[in-house]
Amino acid sequence: NAGVTQTPKFQVLKTGQSMTLQCAQDMNHNSMYWYRQDPGMGLRLIYYSASEGTTDKGEVPNGYNVSRLNKREFSLRLESAAPSQTSVYFCASSPGGGETQYFGPGTRLLVL
Amino acid sequence: GEDVEQSLFLSVREGDSSVINCTYTDSSSTYLYWYKQEPGAGLQLLTYIFSNMDMKQDQRLTVLLNKKDKHLSLRIADTQTGDSAIYFCAMEPDSSNTGKLIFGQGTTLQVKP
Repeated sequence: NAGVTQTPKFQVLKTGQSMTLQCAQDMNHNSMYWYRQDPGMGLRLIYYSASEGTTDKGEVPNGYNVSRLNKREFSLRLESAAPSQTSVYFCASSPGGGETQYFGPGTRLLVL
Repeated sequence: GEDVEQSLFLSVREGDSSVINCTYTDSSSTYLYWYKQEPGAGLQLLTYIFSNMDMKQDQRLTVLLNKKDKHLSLRIADTQTGDSAIYFCAMEPDSSNTGKLIFGQGTTLQVKP
């Protein structure tokens, strides 16, 4: 089992460029989450998907879109990147119903 | 909404006990979690406590929950250099059972040899 995988590991973008962060899990989990981590602010939830076919906004959804492609995959898209989106992005999954979340290794994104 | 606060930094000597504290404003969370993040890595679940418990012990880890004071703590006995990491407390902000978590800012634990 690979657990939760994320690609890419690092990315540098120019302001206004778009990109999609990929996340996949092989644990047959129902729920998946996207967080961003900024220094001194902990992790903040961007979007989550409680089950295949559903997505909901978290605490900081502005500037992002998500797609729950199937049960395994949950992608995060930045349509027009801004320097304020420079962060480390973590994907997580859980069986659902408030059970433990398992995290991927993160994607470090720098927007110039 | 729910607010979760942690102090940002703790430094201890190897072999001492470490106590990492977390306060929150409100929680209907069934479980309260402690996650560990090593440099350059994702978060891994360290331990958790069920909301109707006061204490949970797991080898070198002791979690204390004071619901009256809205205070959660993690004690690491016999702290080792390998315990150096960032520690996050986390809990659900409501009882919707969606698995959404609110995290504290993280406490960086520095263990000096």
